[in-house]
Amino acid sequence: EEQVVESGGGLVKPGGSLRLSCAASGFTFSNAWMNWVRQAPGKGLEWVGRIKSKASGGTIDYAAPVKDRFSISRDDSKNTLFLQMDSLKTEDTALYYCTTDLLGKIAPAWGKGTAVTVSS
Amino acid sequence: DVVMTQSPLSLPVTLGQPASISCRSSQSLVSSDGNTYLNWFQQRPGHSPRRLIYKVSNRDSGVPDRFSGSGSGTDFTLKISRVEAEDVGVYYCMQGTHWPPFTFGPGTKVDIK
Repeated sequence: EEQVVESGGGLVKPGGSLRLSCAASGFTFSNAWMNWVRQAPGKGLEWVGRIKSKASGGTIDYAAPVKDRFSISRDDSKNTLFLQMDSLKTEDTALYYCTTDLLGKIAPAWGKGTAVTVSS
Repeated sequence: DVVMTQSPLSLPVTLGQPASISCRSSQSLVSSDGNTYLNWFQQRPGHSPRRLIYKVSNRDSGVPDRFSGSGSGTDFTLKISRVEAEDVGVYYCMQGTHWPPFTFGPGTKVDIK
């Protein structure tokens, strides 16, 4: 069974940084295209970014609100996905989910999310 | 960016009765590869989202057959043939044709009358 578990969330001041991790199991992580999706408190879902597998070029795409501040990376040797978040803003406060491919024939795995609060 | 809209945003339903949610995109979701990347997700209260439908009408494994998706171009519909108590939650459509970014609709909250 595909599983992903996010970690690394917490309280950070505006302008600060945080690094989220997503540990994957139950599937061949190196072949997977992975996403970060966030959900602000009481709000809807917002796609943050995606990283393709190295075999597919390893391309990384970001949503406009986070581009140039957030960075997605992966360590296939450790089956782990990362989200480096810099220059954090109060509007980045959200539950951050890691997911597998949102468009594939296999239903994407979602973790329980890790909460990020940006506040002074 | 493609803007996704949903209606209604709130849908009180009677147990055992059908329900229907509409999703519209600001441009056609037909991809250059001929596929239409329109997904439906369910998020039950206190839970992570779960995909129900991919490419307009394909049900994910384990999804009850009372859920069905239809549509084309810019207009799409999620139908629940007979609502059960476990169907309470928020339903989101999401397009994956024109990226980045993938975009979600605002969500439709389904609850029991």
